[in-house]
Amino acid sequence: QKEVEQDPGPLSVPEGAIVSLNCTYSNSAFQYFMWYRQYSRKGPELLMYTYSSGNKEDGRFTAQVDKSSKYISLFIRDSQPSDSATYLCAMSASGGSNYKLTFGKGTLLTVNP
Amino acid sequence: DGGITQSPKYLFRKEGQNVTLSCEQNLNHDAMYWYRQDPGQGLRLIYYSQIVNDFQKGDIAEGYSVSREKKESFPLTVTSAQKNPTAFYLCASSPPGWGGFQHFGDGTRLSIL
Repeated sequence: QKEVEQDPGPLSVPEGAIVSLNCTYSNSAFQYFMWYRQYSRKGPELLMYTYSSGNKEDGRFTAQVDKSSKYISLFIRDSQPSDSATYLCAMSASGGSNYKLTFGKGTLLTVNP
Repeated sequence: DGGITQSPKYLFRKEGQNVTLSCEQNLNHDAMYWYRQDPGQGLRLIYYSQIVNDFQKGDIAEGYSVSREKKESFPLTVTSAQKNPTAFYLCASSPPGWGGFQHFGDGTRLSIL
């Protein structure tokens, strides 16, 4: 079983839809959870950062962590064509001293106008 | 503006040749990383460095070498021992104590001639 599983998609939605992106993981030591967004032919950029379980909201984006189920989600409300990108989940056992992130394979999202 | 600069954007390697990918950052970050990204594989860690003159192997270090003589610079050499070097290479850095906050460059695409 891979440490982090992420459905690669592709996922295609109409503009204005609510998008749900998900990752599951097997390592119970993971405590820090990140979502990165990567546009085509560019490097990833950090979108959301969450510690332990719970929700975090930033504008149209909500990150959700359920440690009991080892499941994390990213919700995008009122999706826009500019949200079309690959979304990568990443996680680590500690946010500071542990420099190694474990990434999911990424989900390719297309938002159609 | 602070950021990470990777060069060249595209690179071609002949059989038996070593090539070096450049990564420079002006973010004053201590930690730097090299990842390889293949289609459908996500990001895999090659090497990382927490401080100058120190670096550690990641998950796929075979066939690669690095140096960290300056805080700003972390070049990656793809040696002839790396038999399947065609990939998108990403350099990243993170601030002290925040290994999850990785800032990425825009990558170098390496191909075999």
